[in-house]
Amino acid sequence: DTEVTQTPKHLVMGMTNKKSLKCEQHMGHRAMYWYKQKAKKPPELMFVYSYEKLSINESVPSRFSPECPNSSLLNLHLHALQPEDSALYLCASSQGQGGWETQYFGPGTRLLVL
Amino acid sequence: GQQVMQIPQYQHVQEGEDFTTYCNSSTTLSNIQWYKQRPGGHPVFLIQLVKSGEVKKQKRLTFQFGEAKKNSSLHITATQTTDVGTYFCAGRPSGGSYIPTFGRGTSLIVHP
Repeated sequence: DTEVTQTPKHLVMGMTNKKSLKCEQHMGHRAMYWYKQKAKKPPELMFVYSYEKLSINESVPSRFSPECPNSSLLNLHLHALQPEDSALYLCASSQGQGGWETQYFGPGTRLLVL
Repeated sequence: GQQVMQIPQYQHVQEGEDFTTYCNSSTTLSNIQWYKQRPGGHPVFLIQLVKSGEVKKQKRLTFQFGEAKKNSSLHITATQTTDVGTYFCAGRPSGGSYIPTFGRGTSLIVHP
């Protein structure tokens, strides 16, 4: 199984809503990532978890709150988002955290903030 | 900060023509990875290059890593409509962050 799954596929939320994005992998990978991708742009790294601990936070606003409940799951909690936060949110995983690792991306959640 | 420049941003070709995208870094890279993202899809890993001057082939795709490990290219021979998508390089600077930096991508449009 080389699949990373993400739910929901699409999400529309208002600026006062609280929602969560979910990501799951069963490849035994110990590193998981959240990326944000705007149209016609490359993925932009947000967070990295290694062995269930947050190892990188790329100065992401606190309205995005990541959580790694176990080695297979990664959540991204959203609160008080802005319209400019509308984007494709990609989860990825890799065997380890090293730069030699292949990242496996999920299909993403397309988020629209109204 | 570390940047990986990728050109061109867009490339239109007729089916059967060749295509090349280039990535350049101002600093030496430990390795470089290439990903393909189909329209409406997500990035999918294609290959990783590690050694200076390395060349790898996957069917019609040829990947090269420069001798100085500062540049890389992806060449597609005789493009097909299935090659449509955006190709990203992701380079990891030597002695820098262990997380690769993505280039801006090259969008390939193939006209039948």
